[in-house]
Amino acid sequence: GAGVSQSPSNKVTEKGKDVELRCDPISGHTALYWYRQSLGQGLEFLIYFQGNSAPDKSGLPSDRFSAERTGGSVSTLTIQRTQQEDSAVYLCASSELAGELFFGEGSRLTVL
Amino acid sequence: QKEVEQNSGPLSVPEGAIASLNCTYSDRVSQSFFWYRQYSGKSPELIMSIYSNGDKEDGRFTAQLNKASQYVSLLIRDSQPSDSATYLCAVKPTGGSYIPTFGRGTSLIVHP
Repeated sequence: GAGVSQSPSNKVTEKGKDVELRCDPISGHTALYWYRQSLGQGLEFLIYFQGNSAPDKSGLPSDRFSAERTGGSVSTLTIQRTQQEDSAVYLCASSELAGELFFGEGSRLTVL
Repeated sequence: QKEVEQNSGPLSVPEGAIASLNCTYSDRVSQSFFWYRQYSGKSPELIMSIYSNGDKEDGRFTAQLNKASQYVSLLIRDSQPSDSATYLCAVKPTGGSYIPTFGRGTSLIVHP
């Protein structure tokens, strides 16, 4: 497909487990962003990748959160020892022009 | 901290009317401004970008930018029930940052 692809679309896990969320950006887009959105809330920036540069991790809420981007394409967001407050929709977006983001459909994480 | 402010709404307008959505931002030297539409349960979708003072029209949508007053607005003419969604304003800061700051969005309801 031509859009941003995210998987899984839904993930239910138990408190304390680790989860991995995957994002496959639009081909040719060098910028990749992770945001999260809690129910009824705005978008919270998590991390930004641009090409081969070091990522901007300034939005990660704790050291339980990490992300990598392999080969300048696919990205994985990992949350270790999940907590109930981690429950949210995790949105990935890619961009060719700064600010013009194309979002995937999101991964809905529920931590029981 | 750079902020983007929007009235959370809901803004309720009758079908066929003009819906006016407003956004203010704190970073005086911001350069790029964007409007995203987010339907309930879906991810945000870019609908307009504006970079210069004045108006930019695209179909039924008009974005207006006033940098001196630090506000950007979105007008939707001939509003339709299908326009009912949350509209997010995003601002790209100056300098080397490519991370847009999002407002929390305004909920628009267009009733028949």
